[in-house]
Amino acid sequence: DQQVKQNSPSLSVQEGRISILNCDYTNSMFDYFLWYKKYPAEGPTFLISISSIKDKNEDGRFTVFLNKSAKHLSLHIVPSQPGDSAVYFCAASEGTNAGKSTFGDGTTLTVKP
Amino acid sequence: NAGVMQNPRHLVRRRGQEARLRCSPMKGHSHVYWYRQLPEEGLKFMVYLQKENIIDESGMPKERFSAEFPKEGPSILRIQQVVRGDSAAYFCASSLLLAGVGTDTQYFGPGTRLTVL
Repeated sequence: DQQVKQNSPSLSVQEGRISILNCDYTNSMFDYFLWYKKYPAEGPTFLISISSIKDKNEDGRFTVFLNKSAKHLSLHIVPSQPGDSAVYFCAASEGTNAGKSTFGDGTTLTVKP
Repeated sequence: NAGVMQNPRHLVRRRGQEARLRCSPMKGHSHVYWYRQLPEEGLKFMVYLQKENIIDESGMPKERFSAEFPKEGPSILRIQQVVRGDSAAYFCASSLLLAGVGTDTQYFGPGTRLTVL
């Protein structure tokens, strides 16, 4: 039973446009959510996080939205740049231990020049 | 400030051999986490350690797998009598404090890609 799902394995976007990556979760005990970016042959790099007491968190070009009732979160990247091309992982955790996160399978984003 | 280091980056073992994966956390970090990524899947939590202590090993297979984080030296993930299904990328992460809401985030190493022939 996969508790964190990223239903789109891939997404292709034109440079300058908005990229929207989606993530759904089933465990209502999750209260801390993170997005990671991963390049080939490298480890994941933390991008942005949100706790369940918020519904939006913004950091530069990256915004994460959380809809608790729908158990859904999304990452918006605007404007998208070719350097954003990578695999994006959504992760969720219970309580304060983000170290024990449950990851989705990832979405490969390709930003075309 | 060097990041999280893992070695070897690639490891090939035959079935039945032992695999030892090393992780040196970022300087000053005392929390270490190990994850496994199978092909086309996300990362799966295995174990969380602090210096000389295993805090949470709920994601670790009960047999053949063990982890340690000694007072001195790197954290070691050991897989005994490897099987083909152990082929995966193994990532280590570290944090200064317990990673969580309002506290430090995790910093991941580049991973060790284990191939079992």
